[in-house]
Amino acid sequence: AQSVTQPDIHITVSEGASLELRCNYSYGATPYLFWYVQSPGQGLQLLLKYFSGDTLVQGIKGFEAEFKRSQSSFNLRKPSVHWSDAAEYFCAVGLSNSGGSNYKLTFGKGTLLTVNP
Amino acid sequence: EAQVTQNPRYLITVTGKKLTVTCSQNMNHEYMSWYRQDPGLGLRQIYYSMNVEVTDKGDVPEGYKVSRKEKRNFPLILESPSPNQTSLYFCASRRGAYGYTFGSGTRLTVV
Repeated sequence: AQSVTQPDIHITVSEGASLELRCNYSYGATPYLFWYVQSPGQGLQLLLKYFSGDTLVQGIKGFEAEFKRSQSSFNLRKPSVHWSDAAEYFCAVGLSNSGGSNYKLTFGKGTLLTVNP
Repeated sequence: EAQVTQNPRYLITVTGKKLTVTCSQNMNHEYMSWYRQDPGLGLRQIYYSMNVEVTDKGDVPEGYKVSRKEKRNFPLILESPSPNQTSLYFCASRRGAYGYTFGSGTRLTVV
């Protein structure tokens, strides 16, 4: 069965510092990969996605993520964190038996980001 | 505005009293899904639908029912709610392989 691991439950960074949130998945094939952000009391917002092609993808709010097939990883990065980035971040993996859009989306358990002033 | 609308946002009910959480999307998306979110467990899929009249179980379907009679609506039905169904529920929709758009959530408490 597919699984998604976010090793860090909680990360604290200072405003202006760089950020990297880790995500690993377990499956033989290359899945669809997503990062979502959830602000307190809100629904989830899509930050970025990877389907194929260039392994470095750009998203909204200055975030980027890099797919590394050899490490089965899809880590999220931001060069300079803002206080408004404090939220919970979820990595998600979509696997399709047929290779099409009928995929099942599985989420990691999330990483809570705290930003210190 | 393109969105997924869930109602109600908050609901407190008693054990065994049937309830329905509604979900509607205005983006003509084929795929819709229900997730529940619990502390320490992340989001787990309850049911999903690939199109009208086509639904399938997710990871935690026990105690839930769904229907997809119209493309825009995907209600979640709890026939006999129990306290272990106290959770934060999200409806989501997507077109093709693109990422899901999520609703704002329904916080359900079963006492």
